[in-house]
Amino acid sequence: GAGVSQSPSNKVTEKGKDVELRCDPISGHTALYWYRQRLGQGLEFLIYFQGNSAPDKSGLPSDRFSAERTGESVSTLTIQRTQQEDSAVYLCASRPITSGRARLDEQFFGPGTRLTVL
Amino acid sequence: RKEVEQDPGPFNVPEGATVAFNCTYSNSASQSFFWYRQDCRKEPKLLMSVYSSGNEDGRFTAQLNRASQYISLLIRDSKLSDSATYLCVVNLASGGSYIPTFGRGTSLIVHP
Repeated sequence: GAGVSQSPSNKVTEKGKDVELRCDPISGHTALYWYRQRLGQGLEFLIYFQGNSAPDKSGLPSDRFSAERTGESVSTLTIQRTQQEDSAVYLCASRPITSGRARLDEQFFGPGTRLTVL
Repeated sequence: RKEVEQDPGPFNVPEGATVAFNCTYSNSASQSFFWYRQDCRKEPKLLMSVYSSGNEDGRFTAQLNRASQYISLLIRDSKLSDSATYLCVVNLASGGSYIPTFGRGTSLIVHP
């Protein structure tokens, strides 16, 4: 079946502009995660959704970052007034959350959106 | 102290070598553990889960030491195609679900 998809695959924007990144998780996956990966660095957790709610927003780096999820499917990550330090690959992952064994469920990642802020 | 720490490497080994990576985690409430593999400019993909009793999948062996709070990955008979970054992942319970926390990754280069 279809995997996690993200769009756009690449985004170049000017400093100060707003950008919106989209993630389409695998159908039926309850949990959805956003990560940021700067060049040569590890994955930095941003936010996750359990259904449409976001129990943990602790990873969002500033109030310029926000995310929403509707219909337990598509999620959008919005970055307002982009800065050069926002340049990174933004990865989305989804997970089925099988009852009783949630802790063992694998995350499936999308290909990421490469954001470049000039 | 970071929650999940890994030696970034790179580990540069010849084909056929055995190589081992360690990963330490700081939160004793960590629930489950994984190794992911990430190829250059690609997304991470699950390599294997790490079970308390240790587990093996072909040339790959993963072990968990809860007392010392570390997990390991052993790769035997390295292949050129094993060249990648290996990410240690620790699940922390949070708000009824689990937050996967990633290490920075260990880079492996297998040469002929």
